[in-house]
Amino acid sequence: DAGITQSPRYKITETGRQVTLMCHQTWSHSYMFWYRQDLGHGLRLIYYSAAADITDKGEVPDGYVVSRSKTENFPLTLESATRSQTSVYFCASSDILQETQYFGPGTRLLVL
Amino acid sequence: RKEVEQDPGPFNVPEGATVAFNCTYSNSASQSFFWYRQDCRKEPKLLMSVYSSGNEDGRFTAQLNRASQYISLLIRDSKLSDSATYLCVVNSRGSARQLTFGSGTQLTVLP
Repeated sequence: DAGITQSPRYKITETGRQVTLMCHQTWSHSYMFWYRQDLGHGLRLIYYSAAADITDKGEVPDGYVVSRSKTENFPLTLESATRSQTSVYFCASSDILQETQYFGPGTRLLVL
Repeated sequence: RKEVEQDPGPFNVPEGATVAFNCTYSNSASQSFFWYRQDCRKEPKLLMSVYSSGNEDGRFTAQLNRASQYISLLIRDSKLSDSATYLCVVNSRGSARQLTFGSGTQLTVLP
């Protein structure tokens, strides 16, 4: 019972490079979310998806791209990484019938 | 002003103590309220939902005051394992799926 997984767990990249963070859930949850967590800001929503092929912007979408071709996967791409995107990224999912969000273990990204 | 505000702490309390956390939210149209717990360097996990009439789950009691836009969490008989950051979470965007997280209150329970 894997639940929700993220890969990689740790990533170091350089400014200007493209980076893709993966998120996979085995529950067939309709909703999926990407957050970033920074000191002093708490968790901030980047993008979310209500179903396959349906995505929408959250609070801080600039510099990020998402796609959702399959219900179980929700990759997040940083098109051209910047130092300000150094953060911990959490993916989450929730069932259509409840609001509880279940989080993955997070990806720690360092942009040099 | 942040949509969800919490005292960041840290709260350092001895085992067995009672500790209370407070949270205020700015959007009076908010409909759903939660407390999540986050252990150091781990993912957030739902601790409990908060209902208008108040609710209890073992040693944990949550209260909601809609008039004052205020949420509280009370932990009785603190255990070492309660040490974590407690996140106040509000559905404040009119969508049942978009949650706004407070920055968290850090609790350390001391032996």
